[in-house]
Amino acid sequence: SQTIHQWPATLVQPVGSPLSLECTVEGTSNPNLYWYRQAAGRGLQLLFYSVGIGQISSEVPQNLSASRPQDRQFILSSKKLLLSDSGFYLCAWSPGGIYEQYFGPGTRLTVT
Amino acid sequence: AQSVTQLGSHVSVSEGALVLLRCNYSSSVPPYLFWYVQYPNQGLQLLLKYTTGATLVKGINGFEAEFKKSETSFHLTKPSAHMSDAAEYFCAVAQGGSEKLVFGKGTKLTVNP
Repeated sequence: SQTIHQWPATLVQPVGSPLSLECTVEGTSNPNLYWYRQAAGRGLQLLFYSVGIGQISSEVPQNLSASRPQDRQFILSSKKLLLSDSGFYLCAWSPGGIYEQYFGPGTRLTVT
Repeated sequence: AQSVTQLGSHVSVSEGALVLLRCNYSSSVPPYLFWYVQYPNQGLQLLLKYTTGATLVKGINGFEAEFKKSETSFHLTKPSAHMSDAAEYFCAVAQGGSEKLVFGKGTKLTVNP
């Protein structure tokens, strides 16, 4: 069966510091991968999605970036965090060609 | 473009009462529709989905939803609420032409003893 992992589970970072969040999927190949941010009271905001290695689409202009160095690995990064980057970050995957997505446990990021 | 509206950001019911969470969508193509549940500080879990075929869809934990094309609705119901149903629920529609989902803003369900 497929499993999706995210780490770290929680993170507290000062403003201006870099960020790296990692997501990996097991038990499948060539998944579509997604990064979402969930801020209090604002629902889910799609940040990036990827249909293959090196193929990243950005949904919202911001100081975040994403990379997919391996088939089942998706990384969310920032060079300098802002206070507004605080939130709950969710990674999701789906098999190519179908729409339902399966979510990881999330990373709670607090920027201080 | 597809969109989803969830009526009521907060819904409160008594244990044993009917749960009804409302979702209306807009879509220019036949929609694929989903309900997800999120418990505090956890990821989203797929409850049920509608793609084609039977319009009444049964999911996990006793939930079901009915696709009504004429009303552009996909409301989530459960006959008898349990305390463990307290969570936030999200309705989503697949965005035609891409493999992305559009989510509603969520409905937080509280179950009172």
